[in-house]
Amino acid sequence: QITLKESGPTLVKPTQTLTLTCTFSGFSLSTSGVGVGWIRQPPGKALEWLALIYWDDDKRYTPSLKNRLTITKDTSKNQVVLTMTNMDPVDTATYYCAHRKSGVSVYYFDFWGQGTLVTVSS
Amino acid sequence: QSALTQPPSASGSPGQSVTISCTGTSSDVGGYNSVSWYQQHPGKAPKLMIYEVRQRPSGVPDRFSGSKSGNTASLTVSGLQAEDEADYYCSSYAGSKKWGVVFGGGTKLTVL
Repeated sequence: QITLKESGPTLVKPTQTLTLTCTFSGFSLSTSGVGVGWIRQPPGKALEWLALIYWDDDKRYTPSLKNRLTITKDTSKNQVVLTMTNMDPVDTATYYCAHRKSGVSVYYFDFWGQGTLVTVSS
Repeated sequence: QSALTQPPSASGSPGQSVTISCTGTSSDVGGYNSVSWYQQHPGKAPKLMIYEVRQRPSGVPDRFSGSKSGNTASLTVSGLQAEDEADYYCSSYAGSKKWGVVFGGGTKLTVL
């Protein structure tokens, strides 16, 4: 079965760079059409899509954060890494990674990790 | 402010039906059959309940159904059960110029 798990620091200081790793199993990111995305959720607030990387290394970012985000993959390790620069307290949130299944016009995530809470504070 | 508008709360008694709306624009909800719905219990990850407006993933009860009319999508939960109490988020494709998905602000469903 498909599982995903996020890992990274729980606390970062303002202006620092956040690096989160999504380690997954049950699928391969070298399979045509497959993707892994990142979504975040500030405490008590709504979900926000951040980025997505496809099997062919094509990448997409939410326009408002595009300049701060980088998504990469290591297919051999079954990992996807998200970096976010210049962290601010408003970036405090639970960060989720999720699986995008293969197919045309698939704009949803069918499997999600448990999420990791990142707090930005000095 | 979220891209898609949902009512902050909804409620119903066990056995009743409740419908949650999700309003967008012709650039997202109205322009594509790519609306999905997620259920989120406190402290848990979102769970996909509906995709492509009305499709249910395997394992999701048929009490959950989706529909769309114009720029508004809807999630209906029939035969409400206590375990349906959760937050529900809609999501939609937002067009090729700004690839990605946009989410609604979420609706807290309370089973009375």
